[in-house]
Amino acid sequence: EAQVTQNPRYLITVTGKKLTVTCSQNMNHEYMSWYRQDPGLGLRQIYYSMNVEVTDKGDVPEGYKVSRKEKRNFPLILESPSPNQTSLYFCASSFLSSRSYEQYFGPGTRLTVT
Amino acid sequence: TQLLEQSPQFLSIQEGENLTVYCNSSSVFSSLQWYRQEPGEGPVLLVTVVTGGEVKKLKRLTFQFGDARKDSSLHITAAQPGDTGLYLCAGAKNAGNMLTFGGGTRLMVKP
Repeated sequence: EAQVTQNPRYLITVTGKKLTVTCSQNMNHEYMSWYRQDPGLGLRQIYYSMNVEVTDKGDVPEGYKVSRKEKRNFPLILESPSPNQTSLYFCASSFLSSRSYEQYFGPGTRLTVT
Repeated sequence: TQLLEQSPQFLSIQEGENLTVYCNSSSVFSSLQWYRQEPGEGPVLLVTVVTGGEVKKLKRLTFQFGDARKDSSLHITAAQPGDTGLYLCAGAKNAGNMLTFGGGTRLMVKP
């Protein structure tokens, strides 16, 4: 089954404790990205990757890091989480269809930073 | 201020009613997508429109891309409780570019 998986699905942590949210896709997509979703703000892109070892900042990259060492994996790293990073996070992979990238989203990771 | 403004933000209707959700911008997009998101899940792509004036139908859902490619609408005919969810529009400035999402319209269809 074609899918994007994220782990963990839920995470409660404390300020400053480094964490990593994993993301993996089995569709051989080149393009992957991370979003955060906050009430009333829709989805905002944090980072994206066009291919292995190619990453770039999205709209809200501050406080986050990513890496793309393999095509299927795109982990999101919070080196020193803060309460304003409490949010619902989605990983997505996509391919270029017609004139746009059609995104396949993971199930989400709900992060709470106290 | 968001690049893509969706209206209304919330909509609660009875089963069988019709509704329209709007996605507006002052910017031109090369393509626009609509997604539906249900609680506890990620957004799922419904449709992509790429040509100004384009109309696409998906069963009871009709999507339209504005002639100037700055706006889009989603019309649902005879809404059903299964249509309940968060509807998101997303635009791309050009092919291969990242998507910008609107704030979403939360729809509730009561039986």
